[in-house]
Amino acid sequence: DIQMTQSPSSLSASVGDRVTITCRASQSITTYLNWYQQKPGEAPKVLISDASSLQSGVPSRFSGSGSGTDFTLTISILQPEDFATYYCQQGYSTPLTFGGGTKVETK
Amino acid sequence: EVQLVESGGVVVQPGGSLRLSCAASGFTFDDYAMHWVRQPPGKGLEWVCLINWNGDNTEYADSVKGRFTISRDNSKNSLYLQMSSLRPEDTAFYYCAKDTYPAGDLFDSWGQGTLVTVSS
Repeated sequence: DIQMTQSPSSLSASVGDRVTITCRASQSITTYLNWYQQKPGEAPKVLISDASSLQSGVPSRFSGSGSGTDFTLTISILQPEDFATYYCQQGYSTPLTFGGGTKVETK
Repeated sequence: EVQLVESGGVVVQPGGSLRLSCAASGFTFDDYAMHWVRQPPGKGLEWVCLINWNGDNTEYADSVKGRFTISRDNSKNSLYLQMSSLRPEDTAFYYCAKDTYPAGDLFDSWGQGTLVTVSS
């Protein structure tokens, strides 16, 4: 099984900050990497697919990069509605697996 | 608008069985693979299983293989998860999720979740 490791597990940031979350796969997954945002009491929502493709309706302050084993989700200018937990997920092979999550909290 | 509505979550004893349902609307159901994803309260996400567009391919996480069965009825736009030999570690919110593809790997729409609690 492919293990997905996210870091950090949590971070504190302020509105306006640039935030970077990393995700590492235990083996190459080319660009089969998706990012999700989950707010308390809500279902997850896909932000980015295939490592860097922004989903329709997702603000352009979100971006993704990487290939192989190392990936990054960046929020260029953190907004109040961005405080949430973020998960990466590999789609390269089953079992599909998620990272442990990164909780973005207010500083 | 895509809508996915799960139902069937209850409190069940260890060793018991349960069937979850997911009613889909707002898209052509039989064009897409579907998944179940679960999340223990306060914890992270775990993919459980998938079924392809026509139901002839299914895959499962090792943690549920042999105990859970995913199925779909395209005539009713419905997805199901039959759960048996339930364990306390199966306690979680269970989400049904639509894939972007007929046999895929990306969860582009999610239901609101239904809570399954396995406890004596």
